[in-house]
Amino acid sequence: DTEVTQTPKHLVMGMTNKKSLKCEQHMGHRAMYWYKQKAKKPPELMFVYSYEKLSINESVPSRFSPECPNSSLLNLHLHALQPEDSALYLCASSQDGGRSYEQYFGPGTRLTVT
Amino acid sequence: DAKTTQPTSMDCAEGRAANLPCNHSTISGNEYVYWYRQIHSQGPQYIIHGLKNNETNEMASLIITEDRKSSTLILPHATLRDTAVYYCIVRVVGNNRKLIWGLGTSLAVNP
Repeated sequence: DTEVTQTPKHLVMGMTNKKSLKCEQHMGHRAMYWYKQKAKKPPELMFVYSYEKLSINESVPSRFSPECPNSSLLNLHLHALQPEDSALYLCASSQDGGRSYEQYFGPGTRLTVT
Repeated sequence: DAKTTQPTSMDCAEGRAANLPCNHSTISGNEYVYWYRQIHSQGPQYIIHGLKNNETNEMASLIITEDRKSSTLILPHATLRDTAVYYCIVRVVGNNRKLIWGLGTSLAVNP
């Protein structure tokens, strides 16, 4: 199974709402990632978890709160978002360590903030 | 961290080879070159990577110049399903997690 799944596929939320994005993988990968992608731009790294611990936070605003309940699951909790946060949110996973590896991406959640 | 530059867009006829160039003139000796592609409305997909030597897999070939300042991704027989944005990326050895993405080349494969 080389699949990363993300739910929901689409999400519309108001600026006062609280919502969560979910990501799951069953490849035994120990690193998981959240990216944000705006239209016609490359993905931007937001967070990296390694062995269920947050290892990279790319200065993301606190209205985005990641959580890694276990090695297969990754959540992104959203609160008080702004319209400019509307984007495609991608989850990825990879082996952690070693000389070379690849990141497997999910299909993304298309988020619209109204 | 090294950065990459790529053409904004390219066209290729179906069945012909697609050659996608990438410039990474500031690359360091410990930085790998990776290629990913993103088909419309999907997540990025890994294609191939290399450090110094040319590499080939079932999807593509990667040619890296001897000075490592540029590389070319070759899709030997492009199909309509290869229409996508292709990203040239560098990754620092020892930092397994962070990829430095280029802006990508939008490849259109035409019938």
